[in-house]
Amino acid sequence: QVQLVQSGAEVKKPGASVKVSCKASGYTFTGYYMHWVRQAPGQGLEWMGWINPNSGGTNYAQKFQGRVTMTRDTSISTAYMELSRLRSDDTAVYYCARDREAVHVNLFDPWGQGTLVTVSS
Amino acid sequence: EIVLTQSPGTLSLSPGERATLSCRASQSVSSSYLAWYQQKPGQAPRLLIYGASSRATGIPDRFSGSGSGTDFTLTISRLEPEDFAVYYCQQYGSPTSNTFGQGTKLEIK
Repeated sequence: QVQLVQSGAEVKKPGASVKVSCKASGYTFTGYYMHWVRQAPGQGLEWMGWINPNSGGTNYAQKFQGRVTMTRDTSISTAYMELSRLRSDDTAVYYCARDREAVHVNLFDPWGQGTLVTVSS
Repeated sequence: EIVLTQSPGTLSLSPGERATLSCRASQSVSSSYLAWYQQKPGQAPRLLIYGASSRATGIPDRFSGSGSGTDFTLTISRLEPEDFAVYYCQQYGSPTSNTFGQGTKLEIK
């Protein structure tokens, strides 16, 4: 079955960077866009951007441009999201989510289990 | 950017009752590219409905979606205990942006 397994929780200081991984299995990794969505404690969902694992092309939400970098390693079917210059309001659970269709439709299904990133001095 | 407003913020109902959740868009959502997700505490969201009215794989038929343009509705015909959760709508009509509503919490009365 399709599965996305994310890396473990992180604690970072303000100004640092964090890199979260998302390992995919059960399907052809390069065939589906991968998205990243975050959720601050007690808050709603916020889309951060996508990566096309086949080409490496990316599209970031305007809010995160300049601070986020999405990459992939096709040899191990893993996508990465790196967020730099962390602030306290970046404290959130970060999810990877695969596009539901092989054509890019921006529907998220399935999701990874989430990675809690805590930014604290 | 399309803004999605969900109402009510919290809905208190009993098992067996019918739930009606609303999602209103600030401008028309093209081709009914509107989805609904369910999120339970400590879990990732799960896709329920896409294309405004199509159920995702494995979703029970007590969940239904309707609407077009700027007004969309998620209906749960007879609430089961496992349906109490937070529900988000999402518009996905643009290839370069996505927005979610702020969520509706469905709680047991």
